[in-house]
Amino acid sequence: EPEVTQTPSHQVTQMGQEVILRCVPISNHLYFYWYRQILGQKVEFLVSFYNNEISEKSEIFDDQFSVERPDGSNFTLKIRSTKLEDSAMYFCASSLRQVDNNSPLHFGNGTRLTVT
Amino acid sequence: SQQGEEDPQALSIQEGENATMNCSYKTSINNLQWYRQNSGRGLVHLILIRSNEREKHSGRLRVTLDTSKKSSSLLITASRAADTASYFCATALANQAGTALIFGKGTTLSVSS
Repeated sequence: EPEVTQTPSHQVTQMGQEVILRCVPISNHLYFYWYRQILGQKVEFLVSFYNNEISEKSEIFDDQFSVERPDGSNFTLKIRSTKLEDSAMYFCASSLRQVDNNSPLHFGNGTRLTVT
Repeated sequence: SQQGEEDPQALSIQEGENATMNCSYKTSINNLQWYRQNSGRGLVHLILIRSNEREKHSGRLRVTLDTSKKSSSLLITASRAADTASYFCATALANQAGTALIFGKGTTLSVSS
């Protein structure tokens, strides 16, 4: 069964550094997402992306965050200047259709980001 | 903004018992989805119920939806130790672009053998 893959599985970075998290969504999916989960807490929506532009974003997704689909397969999340509170598990997901058109999300296994 | 809220936050049962988790939401929806997360892993889609459906089954899973009460329940029958995980309900906000799935805080289920 096709799956969403994320790399790296664990990223350690120093405060103030830029970090790029990478994802390869399922190949025929059209919608892409980033979520984060601080240890033991809820899964928080960051951004959705469709047709090469952001569709929706949350209050968490401020100017420090950006997303890109640089080619036909990768989907990246960039954090420009990391803060300690950015430490979390970051999940990429993809879907074939819009979620309100009865489409489930397929998640990767996440990248654990540790900011020191 | 908070959309789904699961109840209870934690549930401990014995193998073979049934587990029921509830979810309440605030706004109109087109569908409600349930996901499972094993510790340290990604979320896995379990079942989707549309707003015009009242009940849906998938194997040992039974989901109900009451749009008048803005609530849903997930029932896992004859639970197994392997069902130990966190379970989340999720909805898309109806008055938005329809591309953001918002998750609740989840119910942590522990099934002991």
